[in-house]
Amino acid sequence: EDKVVQSPLSLVVHEGDTVTLNCSYEVTNFRSLLWYKQEKKAPTFLFMLTSSGIEKKSGRLSSILDKKELSSILNITATQTGDSAIYLCAVESTSNTGKLIFGQGTTLQVKP
Amino acid sequence: DAGVTQSPTHLIKTRGQHVTLRCSPISGHKSVSWYQQVLGQGPQFIFQYYEKEERGRGNFPDRFSARQFPNYSSELNVNALLLGDSALYLCASSLARGRSTDTQYFGPGTRLTVL
Repeated sequence: EDKVVQSPLSLVVHEGDTVTLNCSYEVTNFRSLLWYKQEKKAPTFLFMLTSSGIEKKSGRLSSILDKKELSSILNITATQTGDSAIYLCAVESTSNTGKLIFGQGTTLQVKP
Repeated sequence: DAGVTQSPTHLIKTRGQHVTLRCSPISGHKSVSWYQQVLGQGPQFIFQYYEKEERGRGNFPDRFSARQFPNYSSELNVNALLLGDSALYLCASSLARGRSTDTQYFGPGTRLTVL
């Protein structure tokens, strides 16, 4: 059965710290891995990683896909209180396109 | 450009009742997917529709059904509500360009409470 596991489940840091969130997956016929940020309701798209695009960066956020280890990390540098949110990792397989399989999420709290 | 919109925002129902949730995709997007997110967990896939046809179904009972209209908007129906159906129901739309990878963009969700 396809599965996504995120760690840690929750994290508390102070402004300015750097954090690394982890996502590991087991999926048949991997197609893509996506990261979303969920603050109140709507998950907001951050990155999509595929076999042809294993590293993405946007401002203070960056993500890497390790296809050998079946995992991905999301890095946030110089954290701000506005980064406080739930970070969701999801994978999609080629055999079931359109169905995202999500992990439990990592709740990040950034204290001033 | 408007994002994915969902209605209503909140809904309170009692056990045994029926509910209809609505979703309008981003303009130009032809695919709509529905997810259920229980508190403290990641979203779980319920359905995907593309060009008015069901393209995928998750592990949900037959009490859950959906449809997509010619304008690509969608409805999710849940019959015989149970307490365990209380959750945030998320709709996501995508271009659905066929074989190429496709990003799903989520709406704000409908918070359903079953008493």
